[in-house]
Amino acid sequence: DPKIIQKPKYLVAVTGSEKILICEQYLGHNAMYWYRQSAKKPLEFMFSYSYQKLMDNQTASSRFQPQSSKKNHLDLQITALKPDDSATYFCASSQDEDTANSDYTFGSGTRLLVI
Amino acid sequence: AQKVTQTQTSISVVEKTTVTMDCVYETRDSSYFLFWYKQTASGEIVFLIRQDSYKKENATVGHYSLNFQKPKSSIGLIITATQIEDSAVYFCAMRGMNYNQGKLIFGQGTKLSIKP
Repeated sequence: DPKIIQKPKYLVAVTGSEKILICEQYLGHNAMYWYRQSAKKPLEFMFSYSYQKLMDNQTASSRFQPQSSKKNHLDLQITALKPDDSATYFCASSQDEDTANSDYTFGSGTRLLVI
Repeated sequence: AQKVTQTQTSISVVEKTTVTMDCVYETRDSSYFLFWYKQTASGEIVFLIRQDSYKKENATVGHYSLNFQKPKSSIGLIITATQIEDSAVYFCAMRGMNYNQGKLIFGQGTKLSIKP
């Protein structure tokens, strides 16, 4: 059974629209993250959350907004989509955000194509 | 700022041989952690092995081992007795000890192809 569920697996969106990427983890982890992978910047860090609180944000655009309704959920809302947003978005989790030696578990990703 | 660099874009070796993938890093942290991950053709990203900067011994897990050269800020991944299923993209990553450096920073990746 997948330990981190990302939905949808594939997503095609029209420029200017808004989409929400879903992430749920069933590992009992306290920290969750979003990464973006594209041809230009492989595995680029976007956000980190710990106990549902934003800890770090490396995304310059406010069009990207994480949403955490439960400790094991971290969704990613993207507004005013642009073709440059096309990428695979990975959700990940770790036991704690400030335990530097803990490895991350990654979801299978959501592949977003903006046309 | 922390930085991880993998200069080898792709490597191809024959099955059952040993391969080494290079990685260098930059950090101001006195203690830090170095990781290697594997991304399969399906896109799945899997943790392989970790090296703690304060440990002198090179980490080993199964047929993966590390060549940690701290003075050179280098952490190479060695895969012995390679198998076809080792074909994947391998990412080096690091994470600092400071609270605000908690995120995992990845290198660009090295694509490994294992030929029969």
